[in-house]
Amino acid sequence: EVQVVESGGGLVQPGGSLTLSCAASGFTFRDYWMSWVRQAPGKGLEWLASIKPDGSGETYGDSVKGRFTIFRDNAKNSLYLQMNSLRVEDTALYYCAPSIVKTAARHYLDNWGQGSLVTVSS
Amino acid sequence: DIQLTQSPSFLSASVGDRVTITCRASQGINGYLAWFQQKPGKAPKLLIYTASTLQSGVPSRFSGSGSGTEFTLTISSLQPEDFATYYCQQLNAFPLTFGGGTKVEIK
Repeated sequence: EVQVVESGGGLVQPGGSLTLSCAASGFTFRDYWMSWVRQAPGKGLEWLASIKPDGSGETYGDSVKGRFTIFRDNAKNSLYLQMNSLRVEDTALYYCAPSIVKTAARHYLDNWGQGSLVTVSS
Repeated sequence: DIQLTQSPSFLSASVGDRVTITCRASQGINGYLAWFQQKPGKAPKLLIYTASTLQSGVPSRFSGSGSGTEFTLTISSLQPEDFATYYCQQLNAFPLTFGGGTKVEIK
């Protein structure tokens, strides 16, 4: 069974840093793109970043570019999101999502984790 | 960036109703569109990908259609477990973007 479990969330002051982790199981982690998506309280979904299967390339949304870093450790079947210079508006539930549904041209997100809550507040 | 506009943002319907949700893209997305269902306190679940392909395990009352810039998600006969929020997502180009969501509530 495909499963991803996020951890590492918590309360952090504005300007602080936090690193989220995502432990994957039930699929060959090194073969799939992975992404982070967040959802602010009562709001919609916002894609943040994606990383290639071998970790050789990443792409970011404008709201986090230069502040957040996505990386992975395929030996540990784990995905990470390092978050620096955190702002109040970064408060959200952060989801890890594998691009587990592969088509010829695109890979679609499914089997998301349950999320890790990050609260940025003084 | 490609903007996705969902309509309506809120929908009140009864069990058994046929429901249609629209997702309009600001430019062509080559059919690289997904639909997700999210229930309160739960992670989003993939329903449809490549605009019209039903994900494994998803009931056949769900269907997707469309091309170019206009796409629809249809629930042919709304069931009690379908009351949720639905999102579209485009994968034509980075940054990946989601629609604003459509909340389907019980009339």
